[in-house]
Amino acid sequence: DQQVKQNSPSLSVQEGRISILNCDYTNSMFDYFLWYKKYPAEGPTFLISISSIKDKNEDGRFTVFLNKSAKHLSLHIVPSQPGDSAVYFCAASAKLGGTSYGKLTFGQGTILTVHP
Amino acid sequence: DAGVIQSPRHEVTEMGQEVTLRCKPISGHDYLFWYRQTMMRGLELLIYFNNNVPIDDSGMPEDRFSAKMPNASFSTLKIQPSEPRDSAVYFCASSAYPQGRAVNTIYFGEGSWLTVV
Repeated sequence: DQQVKQNSPSLSVQEGRISILNCDYTNSMFDYFLWYKKYPAEGPTFLISISSIKDKNEDGRFTVFLNKSAKHLSLHIVPSQPGDSAVYFCAASAKLGGTSYGKLTFGQGTILTVHP
Repeated sequence: DAGVIQSPRHEVTEMGQEVTLRCKPISGHDYLFWYRQTMMRGLELLIYFNNNVPIDDSGMPEDRFSAKMPNASFSTLKIQPSEPRDSAVYFCASSAYPQGRAVNTIYFGEGSWLTVV
């Protein structure tokens, strides 16, 4: 049962344009969401996160939007750069008993290619 | 500070052989995770430890897989006997208790690429 889904395996964008990566989740207990970026032959690295009490979080060129009613989040990259070409993973976490829960559930990943 | 260190980086083995993957978490981190990456399922959590104690091993595929964490600075993931369908990239990751933040930021190693032929 895939609780976090990234339905687009790949996305191709021109340099300077906006990249929009999407993620859907099914578990209503998820209350914290993260995006990780992965280059070939490297481990994933943390990019940006958002708590369920917010609907938007921005960090430079990266903005994450959360729509709790639709159980959907998206990552916007503006403007896109060739160096952004990587695999992007969406991840979610659920609190357990009021305390933080260390486990992250990841999606399948989306390969982003930004063309010069 | 060194990140999460995994070994071996690459392993090619024959079906039926035992495979042992090793991990050294970031010093001071009290959570350790083993993930497996495949094209079909993305990053799957296999097992995680908190303070060296296994907390959730529901992602371990079957009895052929086992993981141990004998101390705070070392963990192993063992597959015995290995099968071709175990071919994947295995990531170890670690994190520290958030101390007031909402959730841990997990730091990944570079992965162990396993091919079982």
